[in-house]
Amino acid sequence: QKEVEQNSGPLSVPEGAIASLNCTYSDRGSQSFFWYRQYSGKSPELIMSIYSNGDKEDGRFTAQLNKASQYVSLLIRDSQPSDSATYLCAPEAHRGSTLGRLYFGRGTQLTVWP
Amino acid sequence: EAGVTQFPSHSVIEKGQTVTLRCDPISGHDNLYWYRRVMGKEIKFLLHFVKESKQDESGMPNNRFLAERTGGTYSTLKVQPAELEDSGVYFCASSQDRVRQFFGPGTRLTVL
Repeated sequence: QKEVEQNSGPLSVPEGAIASLNCTYSDRGSQSFFWYRQYSGKSPELIMSIYSNGDKEDGRFTAQLNKASQYVSLLIRDSQPSDSATYLCAPEAHRGSTLGRLYFGRGTQLTVWP
Repeated sequence: EAGVTQFPSHSVIEKGQTVTLRCDPISGHDNLYWYRRVMGKEIKFLLHFVKESKQDESGMPNNRFLAERTGGTYSTLKVQPAELEDSGVYFCASSQDRVRQFFGPGTRLTVL
């Protein structure tokens, strides 16, 4: 079983639509979850973090977390062509000396077309 | 504030050679991480420094990889001797709070 699974892409949405990105993880003890955005050939950029069950909103982004289901998602409202990138889900390991390491999914490639 | 920097941006070497990658974290960040992405795979953790100490090196693939962090500032990752399967993008990240990690641009390593 992979540690982090993301919905397979590519995901293509029209400008102005809502893009929904999903992620499940295997480490039941993970407490911190991050979404990174990576443009082609660039470094991953931290865009959202969430630590508690429920929703967290930041501008056009909403992260949702359900620890019981080991599920985290990212919604992008009013999608823009500049949102076109690969989105990486990254739960944090929680055990002992491994605390701090991030597990990454393969990412979901999002394309927003005008 | 300067971000995480990595050098070189690209490196092409032949199998059996040695390569050293360098990472300069954000000033004041005690936590420094190395990750690697090989072609078609997810980004995987290699190791974690807290200041100059190795907190977790369980992700290092084998003893051909050696990481150091002199004086708790910059870090180097040496691969000796390099093998074909070492090709990929090596990312460095740093963190002040051990939670939010900020990534550098990566070093693309190609072993021929």
